[in-house]
Parts: sequence; structure tokens; C-alpha cells
Amino acid sequence: NAGVTQTPKFQVLKTGQSMTLQCAQDMNHNSMYWYRQDPGMGLRLIYYSASEGTTDKGEVPNGYNVSRLNKREFSLRLESAAPSQTSVYFCASSPVVRPQETQYFGPGTRLLVL
Amino acid sequence: AQSVTQLDSQVPVFEEAPVELRCNYSSSVSVYLFWYVQYPNQGLQLLLKYLSGSTLVKGINGFEAEFNKSQTSFHLRKPSVHISDTAEYFCAVSDNQGAQKLVFGQGTRLTINP
Repeated sequence: NAGVTQTPKFQVLKTGQSMTLQCAQDMNHNSMYWYRQDPGMGLRLIYYSASEGTTDKGEVPNGYNVSRLNKREFSLRLESAAPSQTSVYFCASSPVVRPQETQYFGPGTRLLVL
Repeated sequence: AQSVTQLDSQVPVFEEAPVELRCNYSSSVSVYLFWYVQYPNQGLQLLLKYLSGSTLVKGINGFEAEFNKSQTSFHLRKPSVHISDTAEYFCAVSDNQGAQKLVFGQGTRLTINP
């Protein structure tokens, strides 16, 4: 039981390049989330998916797109990377979208945009 | 909208000393409160959460937190820390009005000195 897995662990991009961050969970959770973590700012929600087939914007969605490929997988795409998107990206999942639910986090993807 | 303030960005303590990490929140509605811990190079994991009932909440690894509604605080405490407690600690809040959207504080880095 791996929990939440993310690939890649680390990536360097040039400004304007595109890439997709992959996330998968094996806990049969309905809900999945993408956050970014920046120094001194905690984690901020980019997008979430309450259930398979639905996605919604979070606090900082600009510059990102997401795809809920199936119940297990939720990907985050940067179409044209910018230096401001240098960050650590975390995927998380929870059984359902309810405010009292615990979220389970992956190990993160460290992204550097030059 | 809710917000969370962690009053200390860094807290250095000696091993076996007590520690308190402070967290204040603001919200116009009832909230649920969480403490997550991030060990070096790992994702976040839940330490404890307050949903309702007793205001003193016990979590993993000997940590506890007290919900104080009048002070809008949810401070985290441990009576005796170990080297293994070195990590970053995040306070987070969600409200009971709808989908789970966790709002995180800025984080407190706890450093344990031998």
C-alpha cells in the first residue's frame, strides 16, 4: 500500500516549457488535491477534484490545468512554465470532500523554472 | 474566509524540553482545526485534529493541542521533545460550510538541539 505517489521527484524547466506532474493514490479515495508550497507561505490549493469527472479551482489556479484521469490519478499540467512557478508541488487525497476529513499527502515534486 | 497565523517561523529547543507552537485563526463560522507535520524531504502527515467535543486533543508522537474559542487559538504542545521531532509544523483550518478547503498557516520549523 504505497499511499499517494508523485512523479517526478525533481524537475528543471526552462521558461516557456511545458510539463505534467503525475499523482496516483491506491487508497480508493474519491477526492484529490494539488497544492504548491512556497517558503513562508504554507501550502496553497491550486485545484481539487471532489470525485472522478469533476475538477474545481482552488486559491491559485492561474497557469495550471488539471485532469482527473480516473479515480486513482490526478495530473497537474503547466502549459508554459514561468519562474514564478518554481515551487514544491504536493498532491493529496481524502476519502471524500468534507471539511473534517484528513488529507493524505504525497512526497512532493520539486520544480525549478529557469 | 478563514485565515491562519503561526506566530513563530522558527522555534529552537533543547532535547527533552517542553515546546509550544502557536497558532491563531480567524473565521466567521465554526471551524475544524488541524496540525500537520512535515519531516525533512517528506510530504505532510496528520498529527491531530479538532472537530468537536473536548477542547484538548491528543495526537501521535505525544503531541496535544488545545482549542480555545475565545482566543481563536489552537496551540500545539509536547512536554518533552526528541531529536526525531525536528520538522516543520503546519496549522490548518477548514470551515463547515461546504467542500473541504484547507487553509494552511505559514509553518513553524522546530529544531531540536542535543
